[in-house]
Amino acid sequence: ETGVTQSPTHLIKTRGQQVTLRCSSQSGHNTVSWYQQALGQGPQFIFQYYREEENGRGNFPPRFSGLQFPNYSSELNVNALELDDSALYLCASSLGVSENTGELFFGEGSRLTVL
Amino acid sequence: AQRVTQPEKLLSVFKGAPVELKCNYSYSGSPELFWYVQYSRQRLQLLLRHISRESIKGFTADLNKGETSFHLKKPFAQEEDSAMYYCALSGTDNDMRFGAGTRLTVKP
Repeated sequence: ETGVTQSPTHLIKTRGQQVTLRCSSQSGHNTVSWYQQALGQGPQFIFQYYREEENGRGNFPPRFSGLQFPNYSSELNVNALELDDSALYLCASSLGVSENTGELFFGEGSRLTVL
Repeated sequence: AQRVTQPEKLLSVFKGAPVELKCNYSYSGSPELFWYVQYSRQRLQLLLRHISRESIKGFTADLNKGETSFHLKKPFAQEEDSAMYYCALSGTDNDMRFGAGTRLTVKP
């Protein structure tokens, strides 16, 4: 069974640039959620994708966008980067809505630094 | 609005002592509550969920709707329990709302 993998693990961008983060979900999971974790804080929900459709969104501006592909892998895109976007971005996969036990399986995260 | 509050950022106990990590929530419906744990150099993982009423690694958590609390307890802490603990609530919009976390240190 393959766990959740994320890439890249670390990256540095400058203000105003755009970034794409990638996530491969755990085998058998069709739901992917993205979280932002600032230093000293808990993970904050960005959005969730279920079977390639956005299935819920947290309080993040539209410059945070995502995609889910037919193999259930996912991307998080952030445009017009701001300094406050510096954080650890976590991807979590889970079973679909009907089988959902509430358990999220997390990746190790992508640490984004915006200068 | 749904919110999870963990009042203690840091908690330190001696090995063998009881430990209680506090979690309070606000939610208008019937909450689904969880405890997630992150051990050093490991990824965040589920510890337990309230609907299962289970004990995992000696930890239990009882949902108290009157006090809107879901405190995590263990009668005898072990050094390997040292970790970051997050209380989480699953609510509307398919989101899992996490608290800010409590870092537990169990001293020998």
